[in-house]
Parts: sequence; C-alpha cells; structure tokens
Amino acid sequence: AQSVSQHNHHVILSEAASLELGCNYSYGGTVNLFWYVQYPGQHLQLLLKYFSGDPLVKGIKGFEAEFIKSKFSFNLRKPSVQWSDTAEYFCAVNSTDSWGKLQFGAGTQVVVTP
Amino acid sequence: DAGVIQSPRHEVTEMGQEVTLRCKPISGHDYLFWYRQTMMRGLELLIYFNNNVPIDDSGMPEDRFSAKMPNASFSTLKIQPSEPRDSAVYFCASSGLAPGANVLTFGAGSRLTVL
Repeated sequence: AQSVSQHNHHVILSEAASLELGCNYSYGGTVNLFWYVQYPGQHLQLLLKYFSGDPLVKGIKGFEAEFIKSKFSFNLRKPSVQWSDTAEYFCAVNSTDSWGKLQFGAGTQVVVTP
Repeated sequence: DAGVIQSPRHEVTEMGQEVTLRCKPISGHDYLFWYRQTMMRGLELLIYFNNNVPIDDSGMPEDRFSAKMPNASFSTLKIQPSEPRDSAVYFCASSGLAPGANVLTFGAGSRLTVL
C-alpha cells in the first residue's frame, strides 16, 4: 500500500537553530513530492514541490528539500529558523500516473521558541 | 483570483442535524478535493472530482456523507445525520491539469463542531 511517513510528530527548537524534518514514502513508480505548511489557525500552503530535475529544491521562506530516490526520502530543511516558522508541516506524495490522489503524512508540529 | 472559497468557516450544530459545506474552486481548475483534518487521523482525503465527476470516493466514511459537484464552480459536502465524531476541519482544494499547475490550492477550511 502507498504510504507517507514523517519521522517526528513534534519538534521544539530555539530561534536560529537548524531544522530538518524527515519524510519517507512508499510508492511504486515516479512520484511528485510536496511539503505543505499550516500556520496556527490557517489553511495549508505550499512550501515547495518536486516534479523532476534537480533533486534539491528551494521553496519559500528559506526552506529547501532534497529528494533522494534511493532512500525514498524527501527531507525538509531550513538552516536557521525563526519564531514565525512555528507551524505544522506536512509531506505529501502522489504518483505521476494517478496524480489526482495526493497522500499526506501525519504532519510534524514545529514549535520555535524565542 | 480569490483562491478556493469555502463556507461556512465555522459551524456548530447538534447531533442529528444536516450539515452542508460549500466550496468554490479556483476558476479553470479541473480537480476538486475534499479533505478532513482531525487530531487523531490527520488529513484524510474524502473524495475528489475531475471535471465535475467523482473519481475516488473511497475515503468517504459512510453513507451519511455525500458530495456533489453540479458544475465547475461549485461543490458541496453534506453530512446527514451529523454525529459528534464528525467534528473536524473540512478542507476543499482544487488543482489544474496543466504542467506546473499540478499543485493543490487549499481553502481556509470549514470547522465543524457537532454537539
């Protein structure tokens, strides 16, 4: 069965610390990969996406993610977080032959302390 | 573009009542999705449409839930009768078909509380 797993459910870190959130997927075939962010009380917004090409993708607000096909991973990183990065982060995957069905991971709640 | 528009933003109702949630997708988007978000189960895909036709409704919890898309600019998700366990935030999202538009844009959500 297709699945998306995020390694951490909760992460607490201080401002200026580096952030890395893990995401692994289990899909056959070619995939599209996404990271969405949900700020407190708001809807999901796209942070970045990978369709093809350079496996290191850069998104908004200084976030980047690296697709490692051999590890079925798409980890999210930010070198120096800010308090405003407090949010829930969702990894999502679909396969290119049925991309209509986007599967989300369980989410990682990130709290950045001042 | 105003984005994906959902209504109501908040609804509080009593068990047994009918609930109707509404969604207006982004103009030109061919796909429309309904998701439910709860603390216990996270984000669950309930159903999605392509060109107004339901493609996959395997995520719809039970017969109390129904969704329609009578035209390209409007969809409804109905719960009848509602139960307390239906309390959740329901998100609508839309997506285009063209390369580069293959990304879901979410609405602000409808927070449902069933007492």
